[in-house]
Amino acid sequence: GAGVSQTPSNKVTEKGKYVELRCDPISGHTALYWYRQSLGQGPEFLIYFQGTGAADDSGLPNDRFFAVRPEGSVSTLKIQRTERGDSAVYLCASSTGLAGGGETQYFGPGTRLLVL
Amino acid sequence: SQKIEQNSEALNIQEGKTATLTCNYTNYSPAYLQWYRQDPGRGPVFLLLIRENEKEKRKERLKVTFDTTLKQSLFHITASQPADSATYLCALISSSARQLTFGSGTQLTVLP
Repeated sequence: GAGVSQTPSNKVTEKGKYVELRCDPISGHTALYWYRQSLGQGPEFLIYFQGTGAADDSGLPNDRFFAVRPEGSVSTLKIQRTERGDSAVYLCASSTGLAGGGETQYFGPGTRLLVL
Repeated sequence: SQKIEQNSEALNIQEGKTATLTCNYTNYSPAYLQWYRQDPGRGPVFLLLIRENEKEKRKERLKVTFDTTLKQSLFHITASQPADSATYLCALISSSARQLTFGSGTQLTVLP
């Protein structure tokens, strides 16, 4: 079966522009996560969805970042007024959402965002 | 603040030897600890999970230990192969949250 997919794989934009990053989770997975990974670092949590609602958005760095999951499947991470410091790999992961905790998260290949 | 440290950024070992990677944490009480493998240009791939009340877990050539007193996990790859070369990440999960808190990873190179 298909794994987690993310589009685009690479995105180059200019400082101040708006970008959208898309994540297609594994079919049937109710939990979806966004992480951000800078070079040489581990992924850093941004936001977690259970179904359509954001269950935890404590990792979003500021109000320029926003994510939606309107139908409980595909999710879009939106970044307004991009800054050079936003350059990173944005990873999406999904899990069944059925286990109490510690369940396996399946990661997509990431979107490499470069803000010039 | 919470801190997760993984041993040295890079580890080189000879093929056939056992690789041992460490993960130390402070100011954290994880309910679960997971290890992931990440290859260049790809997302992390889950390897093993160990719970706070478990001391050791094995899967094929992999072994994980978890010492909540020392606040440390050790990850072992026995009979290492060049194909095991990758970055290995430890990740902690608290009992009240679902998101993973990752260390910065250890880059392992197995030399033929």
